[in-house]
Amino acid sequence: DTAVSQTPKYLVTQMGNDKSIKCEQNLGHDTMYWYKQDSKKFLKIMFSYNNKELIINETVPNRFSPKSPDKAHLNLHINSLELGDSAVYFCASSQERTSGGAPFFGPGTRLTVL
Amino acid sequence: GENVEQHPSTLSVQEGDSAVIKCTYSDSASNYFPWYKQELGKRPQLIIDIRSNVGEKKDQRIAVTLNKTAKHFSLHITETQPEDSAVYFCAAAAHQAGTALIFGKGTTLSVSS
Repeated sequence: DTAVSQTPKYLVTQMGNDKSIKCEQNLGHDTMYWYKQDSKKFLKIMFSYNNKELIINETVPNRFSPKSPDKAHLNLHINSLELGDSAVYFCASSQERTSGGAPFFGPGTRLTVL
Repeated sequence: GENVEQHPSTLSVQEGDSAVIKCTYSDSASNYFPWYKQELGKRPQLIIDIRSNVGEKKDQRIAVTLNKTAKHFSLHITETQPEDSAVYFCAAAAHQAGTALIFGKGTTLSVSS
């Protein structure tokens, strides 16, 4: 069973387009995250959602917007894509009480903006 | 906010040797310190973690130490094997619901046989 899944796995698109990445977790976790991993492998937090409320919003461009329809899903929508948005985007989830808080990562979505 | 420094950025060892990766953190409120391993093209995976009420934790060939006074923590891998080759990330967070981990910049470990 897949714990954290993301679609699509690869996304190639042109500058200026709008795209979405979907994330689902079946672990029953109450917090979900989006991390960006750049070409230098640096993992940077973008957003986190706890019980459907945005509790962290790092200094990312407002072209990025997280959407959480329910506790098991956290989608990432990106408007007006730029070359610098090319990266691997990881969704993750965690549960304070049962798993100790360590996020479990999804497989990642490699976004390439041409 | 929290800042995590990680050293070295690359580490090459011979099979069977030990490897040590060191991290420092800035926020004294941080009390949770996990380590992740990321193989090429794969997701980061948790390998061990430690909380600030513990000084050392071991799991087979892997151990983590924490010095809360100095705000640094280290990963020790003994008897390294080629399959240990990967990028290793340290991270820190205040252990509150929803607090995101802040990661170090990673260490690329290469184990040659």
